Amino acid sequence: KNEVEQSPQNLTAQEGEFITINCSYSVGISALHWLQQHPGGGIVSLFMLSSGKKKHGRLIATINIQEKHSSLHITASHPRDSAVYICAVRGPGAQKLVFGQGTRLTINP
Amino acid sequence: GAGVSQSPRYKVAKRGQDVALRCDPISGHVSLFWYQQALGQGPEFLTYFQNEAQLDKSGLPSDRFFAERPEGSVSTLKIQRTQQEDSAVYLCASSFSWGDTEAFFGQGTRLTVV
Repeated sequence: KNEVEQSPQNLTAQEGEFITINCSYSVGISALHWLQQHPGGGIVSLFMLSSGKKKHGRLIATINIQEKHSSLHITASHPRDSAVYICAVRGPGAQKLVFGQGTRLTINP
Repeated sequence: GAGVSQSPRYKVAKRGQDVALRCDPISGHVSLFWYQQALGQGPEFLTYFQNEAQLDKSGLPSDRFFAERPEGSVSTLKIQRTQQEDSAVYLCASSFSWGDTEAFFGQGTRLTVV
């Protein structure tokens, strides 16, 4: 079993729908990252959080430390949101990130 | 440039050939990471530098993989005697400090071994 599990692996939705991507992890962490990867490989950091909730534009990330679970929400989804969304965690005292396998999101117009 | 720069963007190597992948981190960034991403998978850790010191190389898959950052800025990942299973995207990331700081990723180098 991977240390970081994401669901779903693939998600297709219509423009305007509310999107939720889930991330569960099995180890203690100091921080959790949500990242976006577009075709061509470039990765952009969306959020880094260790507790509670963060919001940036139409994106919201939440984390429940006790449940070892985080969610990424996208409101009013748009075709330009189509990308792979990756959850990654850093353990206490560790430097490296451990990544989930990613969720491929496709938003159709 | 302002971001993390990797070169080349694409590399095709014949099996058995040596390759060198370059990463230019953001100026002043102390931490530098190399990750390997197989097709359809999340990235996996290869190695970590803090300035010029390679503090963790536990993710390097074999002794054919070697990384250096001699002056604490530019880093090179070298793969000797490439094999087909080395085909992947190699990602470099840097951050200003260590611990829980934002990581900035390069565009990656897509290596195809034929």
